[in-house]
Amino acid sequence: GAGVSQSPSNKVTEKGKDVELRCDPISGHTALYWYRQSLGQGLEFLIYFQGNSAPDKSGLPSDRFSAERTGGSVSTLTIQRTQQEDSAVYLCASSWAPGGLYEQYFGPGTRLTVT
Amino acid sequence: QQQVKQSPQSLIVQKGGISIINCAYENTAFDYFPWYQQFPGKGPALLIAIRPDVSEKKEGRFTISFNKSAKQFSLHIMDSQPGDSATYFCAAKGSNAGGTSYGKLTFGQGTILTVHP
Repeated sequence: GAGVSQSPSNKVTEKGKDVELRCDPISGHTALYWYRQSLGQGLEFLIYFQGNSAPDKSGLPSDRFSAERTGGSVSTLTIQRTQQEDSAVYLCASSWAPGGLYEQYFGPGTRLTVT
Repeated sequence: QQQVKQSPQSLIVQKGGISIINCAYENTAFDYFPWYQQFPGKGPALLIAIRPDVSEKKEGRFTISFNKSAKQFSLHIMDSQPGDSATYFCAAKGSNAGGTSYGKLTFGQGTILTVHP
């Protein structure tokens, strides 16, 4: 079956512009996660959604970052007034459920470059 | 606060050799420890995972060794192959102190493995 898909694969934007990154999780997965991977760095947790529960936003670096998940499926990560330090690969993952040993399946990521 | 520390940052191994990557964690509430493999331009993919109630798990050429008392775990790749060249991340999952976030993974900084033919 189809894996996690993300769009766009690459995004170049000017400093100060807003960007939207999209994630389509695997069908049936109830949990969805966003991570950020900066050059040469590990993955940094941003936000996670589980069903209809309130999302865990504890990893969002600033109030310029927000995310929503519509209909329990597709998710959009929005970065307002982008800064150069926002340049990174943004990865989305989904899983059947958040707990236990449920594997998180990652998408290929969106490479964001802020000029 | 970095909760999972990974070393080395990079590793070069000859074909057929053993690759060893180490991780240490701080949060005793972690209860699931996966290793991810990432090739350039791709998202990470689960390689192997372990729960803290076992000390070792082996899948093919890949073995996780887990030391609960030392709060350390490691990945061993036996008979390393050029196709194993990738970035490897250790991670941990579980509830954080003061939180109930069971889902999120806390990742190490990654190890770039190069296996020479």
